[in-house]
Amino acid sequence: EVQLVESGGGLVQPGRSLRLSCTGSGLIFGDYAMSWVRQAPGKGLEWVGFIRSKAYGGTTEYAASVNGRFLISRDDSKSIAYLHMNRLKTEDTAVYYCTSGSRVTVFGVIMGLDYWGHGTLVTVSS
Amino acid sequence: EVVLTQSPGTLSLSPGERATLSCRASQSVSSNSLAWYQQKPGQAPRLLIYGASSRTAGIPDRFSGSGSGTDFTLTISRLAPEDFAVYYCQHYGNSLWTFGQGTKVDVK
Repeated sequence: EVQLVESGGGLVQPGRSLRLSCTGSGLIFGDYAMSWVRQAPGKGLEWVGFIRSKAYGGTTEYAASVNGRFLISRDDSKSIAYLHMNRLKTEDTAVYYCTSGSRVTVFGVIMGLDYWGHGTLVTVSS
Repeated sequence: EVVLTQSPGTLSLSPGERATLSCRASQSVSSNSLAWYQQKPGQAPRLLIYGASSRTAGIPDRFSGSGSGTDFTLTISRLAPEDFAVYYCQHYGNSLWTFGQGTKVDVK
């Protein structure tokens, strides 16, 4: 059974940084693209970004709202994906989900997110 | 960026009724790049449909997806009690993804 477990959430002041981790099990982690999706309290889903598997170059893509502030990386030897969040804003407050999927396009893009973690809450407030 | 608009915002129906949820894209998208999710309170979303019409493993056949171009539909043929939830569509492009704002299906 595939499991994704997020950690690292908490309360942080505006302008500061925070790093989230996503540990995967039950899958050959390096074969999978990994993505982050967030959900502000009482709101809908918002895509944050994703990182392709090394087979597809390990490249990253980001939503416009976080591009230049957030960075996704991966350590396949530890089965961990990271979300480095810099210059945090109050509007970044959300539950952050680590996600992945079992199908990819020829460009290494996940076709539907089969796997979700339980989420970790990030609160940006002074 | 593709903007997805879901309608209606809320759908009030009774168990056993048919639910039809709409997802309209701001520009034509490949059918291969459209997915539907179900989310219940306090839970992570669950993938129902990918590639506009392919059901993921374990999803009951009362759920079906259709559409192409800019108009996509999720149909629940006969609502079961466990189907009352929020549903999201998603476009997964080569470099940008977007979600619709969601449709809540609640009990009439």
